[in-house]
Amino acid sequence: QQQVKQSPQSLIVQKGGISIINCAYENTAFDYFPWYQQFPGKGPALLIAIRPDVSEKKEGRFTISFNKSAKQFSLHIMDSQPGDSATYFCAAKAAGNKLTFGGGTRVLVKP
Amino acid sequence: NAGVTQTPKFQVLKTGQSMTLQCAQDMNHEYMSWYRQDPGMGLRLIHYSVGAGITDQGEVPNGYNVSRSTTEDFPLRLLSAAPSQTSVYFCASSYSSGRTGELFFGEGSRLTVL
Repeated sequence: QQQVKQSPQSLIVQKGGISIINCAYENTAFDYFPWYQQFPGKGPALLIAIRPDVSEKKEGRFTISFNKSAKQFSLHIMDSQPGDSATYFCAAKAAGNKLTFGGGTRVLVKP
Repeated sequence: NAGVTQTPKFQVLKTGQSMTLQCAQDMNHEYMSWYRQDPGMGLRLIHYSVGAGITDQGEVPNGYNVSRSTTEDFPLRLLSAAPSQTSVYFCASSYSSGRTGELFFGEGSRLTVL
């Protein structure tokens, strides 16, 4: 079973709009929650990450919101640009550097 | 600055054949891992290593073998390929002490098993 569930599987947003991707986890032993961005033909790359004792983290146009009690976290992409078109993965880190990934969201930003 | 290098980028195998996917990193990372990526399932951990001579199983280890004789290299062996192993394989590395969950990924190896 998937320990990290991600939704939606895909979304289309107009340039300048907000993209929102949601994730839910079950294992309370996870100690860090990174988001990865992947372009076609490339490997995933770290975009932004948050600790479970922080409710929000912002880096530029990207914001993570974290709700520990609900075991949910989300990625908001503000002022979405065509260059943001990619697949986004949420993940949860267990002991060591073992990551459990969500199923991925393909984002298409239309100009 | 090469980072994580995977070879080959593409490979077609017949059922029952064996092969090795190569992974090398030049960042002196202690931790290395192999993931497979399938549509809708994200990336799933196959095997990982926390240092030379130490390996362990991840979520989907069956049908795969690994070894870690040096810090730099972490090859993944398919013992007898099956169509279910058709996937994109990613090698990733990091410092063991990393807290943020930052893995550095290679560009992937796309494997098709007929």
